[in-house]
Amino acid sequence: EVQLLESGGGLVQPGGSLRLSCAASGFSFSSYAMSWVRQAPGKGLEWVSGISGSGGSTYYADSVKGRFTISRDNSKNTLYLQMNSLRAEDTAVYYCAKRDDSSGSRGGKLDYWGQGTLVTVSS
Amino acid sequence: DIVMTQSPDSLAVSLGERATINCKSSQSVLYSSNNKNYLGWYQQKPGQPPKLLIYWASTRESGVPDRFSGSGSGTDFTLTISSLQAEDVAVYYCQQYYSTPHSFGQGTKLEIK
Repeated sequence: EVQLLESGGGLVQPGGSLRLSCAASGFSFSSYAMSWVRQAPGKGLEWVSGISGSGGSTYYADSVKGRFTISRDNSKNTLYLQMNSLRAEDTAVYYCAKRDDSSGSRGGKLDYWGQGTLVTVSS
Repeated sequence: DIVMTQSPDSLAVSLGERATINCKSSQSVLYSSNNKNYLGWYQQKPGQPPKLLIYWASTRESGVPDRFSGSGSGTDFTLTISSLQAEDVAVYYCQQYYSTPHSFGQGTKLEIK
């Protein structure tokens, strides 16, 4: 059974940093690209970032480019999102999701999602 | 970047009736090399993560009831629920995965009339 478990969310001040983790199990982690998707309170879904199975290719939304860094440790079956220079508008539930392919900007559907972790940016 | 626009923003349908949600992309998401539309539909119920319903615009995910169907090609797509059930109350999103950023539509809230 595929499981994705996010952690690392919490309350952080504007300008601060936070690192989210997503522990994956039930599939061959290194064979699949992964994505982060966020949802601000009461709002819709926003794709944030993606990474290939090898970790060699990464992709970002313009809203986070230069501030967020996606990475993965395939030996630990874990996906990360390093978030720096956080702003109030980054407040959201952050979901990690598995893609059904290994790489590329032209990618696959998001077939499994975690339960999400809440990030609140406020003073 | 590809912009995804859904219509309507909200929809109220009687139990047993048909529900139709539309999704339009600002550029074609049809890849000519494999003739596939890089378009998915997701269902999100309150307090839950999204769930994949449809991929490649018209392929139903395993375990999804056959009352859900997807259609369309290029820039115009439709999600249809043929006979609305109470458990279908949710917000529905389309997403293109043709090119990054893999943008979502704004969502359509489906309620019972």
